[in-house]
Amino acid sequence: AQKVTQAQTEISVVEKEDVTLDCVYETRDTTYYLFWYKQPPSGELVFLIRRNSFDEQNEISGRYSWNFQKSTSSFNFTITASQVVDSAVYFCALLSNAGNNRKLIWGLGTSLAVNP
Amino acid sequence: NAGVTQTPKFQVLKTGQSMTLQCAQDMNHNSMYWYRQDPGMGLRLIYYSASEGTTDKGEVPNGYNVSRLNKREFSLRLESAAPSQTSVYFCASSWTADSNQPQHFGDGTRLSIL
Repeated sequence: AQKVTQAQTEISVVEKEDVTLDCVYETRDTTYYLFWYKQPPSGELVFLIRRNSFDEQNEISGRYSWNFQKSTSSFNFTITASQVVDSAVYFCALLSNAGNNRKLIWGLGTSLAVNP
Repeated sequence: NAGVTQTPKFQVLKTGQSMTLQCAQDMNHNSMYWYRQDPGMGLRLIYYSASEGTTDKGEVPNGYNVSRLNKREFSLRLESAAPSQTSVYFCASSWTADSNQPQHFGDGTRLSIL
């Protein structure tokens, strides 16, 4: 079975704090892809990053960084020096390349509130 | 660059009424998707269309029908709306249904069934 768990339902931080959003996934497939999406209060879903199962390099994009560890089946997302504009719900998702079941499996999301 | 456009943005229906949610993308994507988002349930796939002329059921297809009208447009129809279908509906598209292609989403349609 494939599953994505975002154990943190809600996180509240003060501006400029660093915050890490956890994502743990389950899959038996050797080839798969992981995604992070952001949903700000306005409601739209914004693609942030894609990572395939063969690339364990961490990635940094400005204040955002992602730590992919196959050994622990985790794909965690860190925001450095958080800002109020980072307040949103963040979703982690998994997609397997096995057979015809090419559907995104979504976590339930982590709601991040960054307070001034 | 409009991306994925959904209409309407809001709608209130009475139980038993029918309605079609429209979705169009201008990115020349081959694949399109319909999701519903409910509190505590996350995003659930209703139907998807891997390419023009094909549609497949997702996780929660009951009570819905879809039409891939052409490459740009993918509509979702509720034939007889029920209160359980009150939700936020998102349309998405991607270059292909292959795993490495991110999906791009519309702004959502907030649908209430009374």
